[in-house]
This record gives sequence, C-alpha cells and structure tokens, in this order.
Amino acid sequence: DAGVTQSPTHLIKTRGQQVTLRCSPKSGHDTVSWYQQALGQGPQFIFQYYEEEERQRGNFPDRFSGHQFPNYSSELNVNALLLGDSALYLCASSSGAGIEKLFFGSGTQLSVL
Amino acid sequence: DAKTTQPTSMDCAEGRAANLPCNHSTISGNEYVYWYRQIHSQGPQYIIHGLKNNETNEMASLIITEDRKSSTLILPHATLRDTAVYYCIVRALDDKIIFGKGTRLHILP
Repeated sequence: DAGVTQSPTHLIKTRGQQVTLRCSPKSGHDTVSWYQQALGQGPQFIFQYYEEEERQRGNFPDRFSGHQFPNYSSELNVNALLLGDSALYLCASSSGAGIEKLFFGSGTQLSVL
Repeated sequence: DAKTTQPTSMDCAEGRAANLPCNHSTISGNEYVYWYRQIHSQGPQYIIHGLKNNETNEMASLIITEDRKSSTLILPHATLRDTAVYYCIVRALDDKIIFGKGTRLHILP
C-alpha cells in the first residue's frame, strides 16, 4: 500500500515564475492538507481540501492556490514566486473529519533563485 | 499560532526513557493533544493522541495531567533512530493541525 507520494522531489525556479506541486494521498484517504516548512521551522498550514473544495486555509496570500481532483489527488500552485517561497512543501492526507491522523509525504524541496 | 510550549532541545541516553514535556495551559475542553515527530529529511510522523486519559501504543505513552494543562510524551527505551524533532499540538476535532517549533531530541550513544 503506497503512502502519500509527492512530485517532484526537488525543484528550482526563478523569481516571478509559477510552480505546480503534486500529491497523491494514501489509499482510502479523501482529505489533503498542504504545509510549507522553512529551514529550521515547523510546518506552516497552507490549506486543506476535501470533496474538491478548499475547507480550511492558513495565513497565506492568494498567490497560493490549490485543487483537488475526483480521485482525491491534489495540486498546489504558487504564482509570482518570491525568494521567501523557498521551502519544503509537505502534503498530508487523512480520512475525513474527526480524529484523523495525518500521513505525510516526504515533500517537495522548492528553491527560488 | 501554536497553543503549546515545548523546550527547544533535549538529550537522552540510548536505552533510557525519553520524557518530553509540553505545556498547553489554554487548552479547551474539546481539544485533543497530539504528538508528531519529524526525522531529518522526512515528513512528520504521527505518534499518539489523547483527550484526558493516559494513552499508550507501540511507539510511546502519553501522560496528560488531570487539569489537562500539560502533558508528557514518553519513549520508553530510546534508540538512535528516535533522534528527531517532536511536536506537541492541541486541536479540536475539525480544526487544522498547527505545528510549533517542537523539541529537538538528541539520543546519545
């Protein structure tokens, strides 16, 4: 049983570009959450998707957007990249609401030059 | 903002019990205490959670004080592979999981 898979593992972009990160949830999970982790910091919540809708959102600008597909996979899009967007982007999946445990992927390391 | 306070770092000798404290003095009655850990270059991993009773699983034990204002995660026999950052989180059932800075646990050989 595959866990949470993310692609790509590493990515280098330049300022002003746009990037799309992808996530496939663990089998049986229908909820996907995205986190940004800067070096030396804890993961920061970006948003959560359930039933193809954004259910909750953290304190991130509109440059950060997402999408969830009918097969529960998800994409994170970041427009107009800034140097400060350089971070590890983590995807986590869970099963519905309630006392869910998050299962994390290994992340995508984004470097903005 | 994170609702918990944890020490920045701790050391523990291999084979001994590692006791990681967490303060959550503003916890609400419907909020659970969760623990995750993050080993270098990996995503966080769920360890355990509880509401008010002590909990134990194959990874660890969670001791919550009677007033629920603090808790302790116990790794009974620490190994080098337990070296990681440990995050204590409080959340209600349908709320997002917010990570703080965690405790960096070093297991010493």
